Amino acid sequence: DAKTTQPPSMDCAEGRAANLPCNHSTISGNEYVYWYRQIHSQGPQYIIHGLKNNETNEMASLIITEDRKSSTLILPHATLRDTAVYYCIVRSHTGTASKLTFGTGTRLQVTL
Amino acid sequence: DGGITQSPKYLFRKEGQNVTLSCEQNLNHDAMYWYRQDPGQGLRLIYYSQIVNDFQKGDIAEGYSVSREKKESFPLTVTSAQKNPTAFYLCASSPQQGANEQFFGPGTRLTVL
Repeated sequence: DAKTTQPPSMDCAEGRAANLPCNHSTISGNEYVYWYRQIHSQGPQYIIHGLKNNETNEMASLIITEDRKSSTLILPHATLRDTAVYYCIVRSHTGTASKLTFGTGTRLQVTL
Repeated sequence: DGGITQSPKYLFRKEGQNVTLSCEQNLNHDAMYWYRQDPGQGLRLIYYSQIVNDFQKGDIAEGYSVSREKKESFPLTVTSAQKNPTAFYLCASSPQQGANEQFFGPGTRLTVL
């Protein structure tokens, strides 16, 4: 699976949009971009995933560049409960198991 | 409620003792996984199982063992051979191999004294 690069930390004011970037310049054609988040001392939670089109669900939007070498997770109206570590993961849907390779992620701090 | 349970949430053991961490799921998922997380780090895969009575080593399997006798259960044993067992252990499951998302349990924080 391709390696990802994320900033170690970001701050966001409550009510504003949080834009979390991820670089995955070595992504291959059959690899998807996944986002998970982990609130302190809890298990990670799935947020969203995509291949090449932009995706939106009730939690967030995922914007993938045309060359697929980077993506941005958008939390449109961040709240204090969105404070967490956000992980960008790239993996294919082929293979024998859906193994996930977690990096160190981005620690998002939402402030009043 | 459907989900994944791990017990206990906190576990303390003396050095040299084996300890078994529990993971149960009632989601009818085929695949189950064990991860380890150290402070400030991401998750690392220990073992995974795609089906009952079958499991494979992950990236850091040394010093650990697992079994998958039932679909809903995937216990992890931390043996005395594991050099640095103190960590946060997370269990996950997914509906089938290659599936989209994994569902995680709340984790067990193991401290070896």
